[in-house]
Amino acid sequence: GAGVSQSPSNKVTEKGKDVELRCDPISGHTALYWYRQSLGQGLEFLIYFQGNSAPDKSGLPSDRFSAERTGGSVSTLTIQRTQQEDSAVYLCASSPWGGQRRNTIYFGEGSWLTVV
Amino acid sequence: AQSVTQLGSHVSVSEGALVLLRCNYSSSVPPYLFWYVQYPNQGLQLLLKYTTGATLVKGINGFEAEFKKSETSFHLTKPSAHMSDAAEYFCAVSERDSSYKLIFGSGTRLLVRP
Repeated sequence: GAGVSQSPSNKVTEKGKDVELRCDPISGHTALYWYRQSLGQGLEFLIYFQGNSAPDKSGLPSDRFSAERTGGSVSTLTIQRTQQEDSAVYLCASSPWGGQRRNTIYFGEGSWLTVV
Repeated sequence: AQSVTQLGSHVSVSEGALVLLRCNYSSSVPPYLFWYVQYPNQGLQLLLKYTTGATLVKGINGFEAEFKKSETSFHLTKPSAHMSDAAEYFCAVSERDSSYKLIFGSGTRLLVRP
């Protein structure tokens, strides 16, 4: 498809387990974003990748969270030792380049994570 | 820190009535301003944005918003609601020098009554 693709769409995991969430951005988009949508915190910025620049990780809530982007395309968000408060929808987005003045960010449908 | 306030977690209108969703931001320096819509089980879709220039911005699906610096507001309107407009609407801002980072409001769920 032409949009941002995320997998899995739904994930139920036990507390303490590690999870990996995958994002395939729109082909040719150099900028990639992760956001989290939860009942308690609303929509929060997590991390931003732009080309070969160092990512902005300022939104990651703890050191249990990490993300990488391989080859400037696919990204994986990893949550280690999951906690119940990690339950949320994790949204990935991409855009042709960074910044938003002449640019539009396209969001995927999200990965629903439930920690039990 | 920059913040966004959306007044009303739920707004209910009749089909054909005016839609008004309110958004206020906190920055003294006008940021970039956005409205996104989220339909059930879908991702966010950009409705419209203001970055510079004309303060009345027209978006998709007949929506528009007006940036009012004096009121630090960016309210979303549509003259006539349609059943298909029922969704959750998020106002967001970004700083001009880090415009890749969106700060979202808490969202307003729009209900459209037949």
